[in-house]
Amino acid sequence: AQSVTQLGSHVSVSEGALVLLRCNYSSSVPPYLFWYVQYPNQGLQLLLKYTSAATLVKGINGFEAEFKKSETSFHLTKPSAHMSDAAEYFCAVSGHNAGNMLTFGGGTRLMVKP
Amino acid sequence: DSGVTQTPKHLITATGQRVTLRCSPRSGDLSVYWYQQSLDQGLQFLIQYYNGEERAKGNILERFSAQQFPDLHSELNLSSLELGDSALYFCASSVEVGGANEQFFGPGTRLTVL
Repeated sequence: AQSVTQLGSHVSVSEGALVLLRCNYSSSVPPYLFWYVQYPNQGLQLLLKYTSAATLVKGINGFEAEFKKSETSFHLTKPSAHMSDAAEYFCAVSGHNAGNMLTFGGGTRLMVKP
Repeated sequence: DSGVTQTPKHLITATGQRVTLRCSPRSGDLSVYWYQQSLDQGLQFLIQYYNGEERAKGNILERFSAQQFPDLHSELNLSSLELGDSALYFCASSVEVGGANEQFFGPGTRLTVL
């Protein structure tokens, strides 16, 4: 069975500061990993995904994530936070089961202070 | 705009009632997924269809059912509604069923059961 743990349900940073959102996964097979962002009253939008091509993945809006197999982690980072980054972020894992349904973490709400 | 449409946007109904949520996938996408997002359960996979056939089931209650039609749109039927069914229901679509395929999410249907 696959699972995802996001450490910290709420993270607050100042505008211009580093953003670090943590994600650890559990999977018995090499996983596919995703970060999605959800703005208020909207659906989920894909930020980036890891599919084993490269361990450092660059996404949209200046976000990137690094896959670390030894740590079973896929943390999301952005060098400099912007007010528009305030949203909820979800880490998800997909495997090699019958479908490719996503198993989501609990989400992290990012708040950006001016 | 992901290209996935969901109707209605909001639905308010009473306990014991039955409702139908509709999803139109992106043009060309054969796979449709349904997810439920609630405060206590987070984002959970319900069911997946691929080209009209059920492919995978998740934590879907027996009171819930779904189908995918020949034109590839999908409907999620929720019956004998309970207060706890109040949630945001998302539909997502992808081209294939491989684990690396990106899922595109619709804006969701917010169901309120009174």
